[in-house]
Amino acid sequence: DGGITQSPKYLFRKEGQNVTLSCEQNLNHDAMYWYRQDPGQGLRLIYYSQIVNDFQKGDIAEGYSVSREKKESFPLTVTSAQKNPTAFYLCASSISGGKETQYFGPGTRLLVL
Amino acid sequence: GENVEQHPSTLSVQEGDSAVIKCTYSDSASNYFPWYKQELGKGPQLIIDIRSNVGEKKDQRIAVTLNKTAKHFSLHITETQPEDSAVYFCAASKAGNQFYFGTGTSLTVIP
Repeated sequence: DGGITQSPKYLFRKEGQNVTLSCEQNLNHDAMYWYRQDPGQGLRLIYYSQIVNDFQKGDIAEGYSVSREKKESFPLTVTSAQKNPTAFYLCASSISGGKETQYFGPGTRLLVL
Repeated sequence: GENVEQHPSTLSVQEGDSAVIKCTYSDSASNYFPWYKQELGKGPQLIIDIRSNVGEKKDQRIAVTLNKTAKHFSLHITETQPEDSAVYFCAASKAGNQFYFGTGTSLTVIP
């Protein structure tokens, strides 16, 4: 089956702790994206990567970091600098970084203890 | 940057009736407009999309219309069914740039 997987489904973070959310795709897509979703709001772009070893900040990158060492993987780290991390995090991918359709993973819900 | 507004934020319809959700965008260079359906606790799923060289697209009970002059596009769902209940998001983008999403419409279909 081709698709996008995210893990874990739920993640709990303690104060001052960094946590990493996993995103993997086997669609052979070049571009990958991370969005944050808060209740009653649209999706806001955190980071995106159009090609391996390259990524750009989105609208709300502060307090987050990413890496793109492999085409299939685009992990997101929520650092202790992110003061309000509780949200639903969605990973997406597209064939390239143009106007092609983005396909989403099932999401990770991050909660702060 | 682009600004996408979506209305209404909530919509309730009787089963079998039609539902219409509207979005406006600000950047006249935007040329790709997808619609996503998101069920509770899941990621958004693409249900239909339209490009700027087309005015209307239909897929069974779902249709999308685009008015480039007025910079708005709409999702039409006919013969609604309870399984259509979900949150629907519109988005706009232009070549080589990010997607900009609307704030979502929570659709409830009442049996």
